[in-house]
Amino acid sequence: GENVEQHPSTLSVQEGDSAVIKCTYSDSASNYFPWYKQELGKRPQLIIDIRSNVGEKKDQRIAVTLNKTAKHFSLHITETQPEDSAVYFCAADDSNYQLIWGAGTKLIIKP
Amino acid sequence: SQTIHQWPATLVQPVGSPLSLECTVEGTSNPNLYWYRQAAGRGLQLLFYSVGIGQISSEVPQNLSASRPQDRQFILSSKKLLLSDSGFYLCAWSEVGLNTEAFFGQGTRLTVV
Repeated sequence: GENVEQHPSTLSVQEGDSAVIKCTYSDSASNYFPWYKQELGKRPQLIIDIRSNVGEKKDQRIAVTLNKTAKHFSLHITETQPEDSAVYFCAADDSNYQLIWGAGTKLIIKP
Repeated sequence: SQTIHQWPATLVQPVGSPLSLECTVEGTSNPNLYWYRQAAGRGLQLLFYSVGIGQISSEVPQNLSASRPQDRQFILSSKKLLLSDSGFYLCAWSEVGLNTEAFFGQGTRLTVV
């Protein structure tokens, strides 16, 4: 079955710098790769997603890249701001269209 | 538009007591429904998912159970809570089919004392 690994588990960056979170997956049939942001004590919410027919997608300061050959995808946040501090989860769909989740990355933005 | 309701938001229960968390979805039909647990500072652990009324798949064997008595209602239960059941429980739904977003409820913070 699908397995998703996410790195790093914690990432600390200076405000204004960029942050990159990486995920790898095992099932080459996966087609959908969302990223969720979870602020402290709140529910995870989708911030961006990418499908297998696209290599990159951008939405303002966030972007996701997908390398299907290498089976990895990454979240890029530029010009980080304090409100970007949160836990970020990647996921990939399996053959039953269920989402398999990464373990999460705690992003800390230092002022 | 679709909405998901999960309650209660917080719950403190003694060891050995029963548990019932409820989740309902509005504005959609035949959704996939999920229960996740999140320990403090940890990732999302899928507990149960359901693709239809009365259809429950369990991902992790434990003293919890789930039921789907109606199309848009998903209930997480336990007959006797353990200390290790403490955590943040999240209900979620998605549309049937591929490549679809999961929408989460507000979560229930359960503390077993």
